[in-house]
Amino acid sequence: NAGVTQTPKFQVLKTGQSMTLQCAQDMNHEYMSWYRQDPGMGLRLIHYSVGAGITDQGEVPNGYNVSRSTTEDFPLRLLSAAPSQTSVYFCASSYSLADYNEQFFGPGTRLTVL
Amino acid sequence: DQQVKQNSPSLSVQEGRISILNCDYTNSMFDYFLWYKKYPAEGPTFLISISSIKDKNEDGRFTVFLNKSAKHLSLHIVPSQPGDSAVYFCADRHALNFGKGTSLLVTP
Repeated sequence: NAGVTQTPKFQVLKTGQSMTLQCAQDMNHEYMSWYRQDPGMGLRLIHYSVGAGITDQGEVPNGYNVSRSTTEDFPLRLLSAAPSQTSVYFCASSYSLADYNEQFFGPGTRLTVL
Repeated sequence: DQQVKQNSPSLSVQEGRISILNCDYTNSMFDYFLWYKKYPAEGPTFLISISSIKDKNEDGRFTVFLNKSAKHLSLHIVPSQPGDSAVYFCADRHALNFGKGTSLLVTP
């Protein structure tokens, strides 16, 4: 099992550019989520999904879109990047939201918006 | 408003001594908590969890204590080792709420 994979590892964007952060898991997990980590702020939930076709907003969803067309993939889209979106982004998955399962995290994508 | 809080951003402990990391929560409906450990340039990894039906859970050098009346949990690492140097996050079971993390430095 590759676990949770994220691409790219690093990305530099200019303000206003768009991009998609990719996330995939091969563990057949129902629940997937995106977090951003900023200094002094910990991990903040952006969006999450409890299964294919179902997504919901987390604590800091503005400026981000997600979709979940398959169980395996949960891409995060930035439609018009802003410097405030400079952060490290982590994707995570777990068996379900309802059960007492830990989340498995990907290695992260470090994004800089100039 | 943060529902899971870690009020100590950093902690320095000597090798071999006990490390105690603290976490407070506000929602009395939270019934299961997890601790994650994060090294630089890596994603967090699960460390240990505790259910509200218990007040203690042990796994080797790691023990988590839960005080429901105080809405407080703590992670004890005994003995601390340099490899334990990392950022530790507590979270509710849905991981919709993470604390801000405590950076632990274990010095030789």
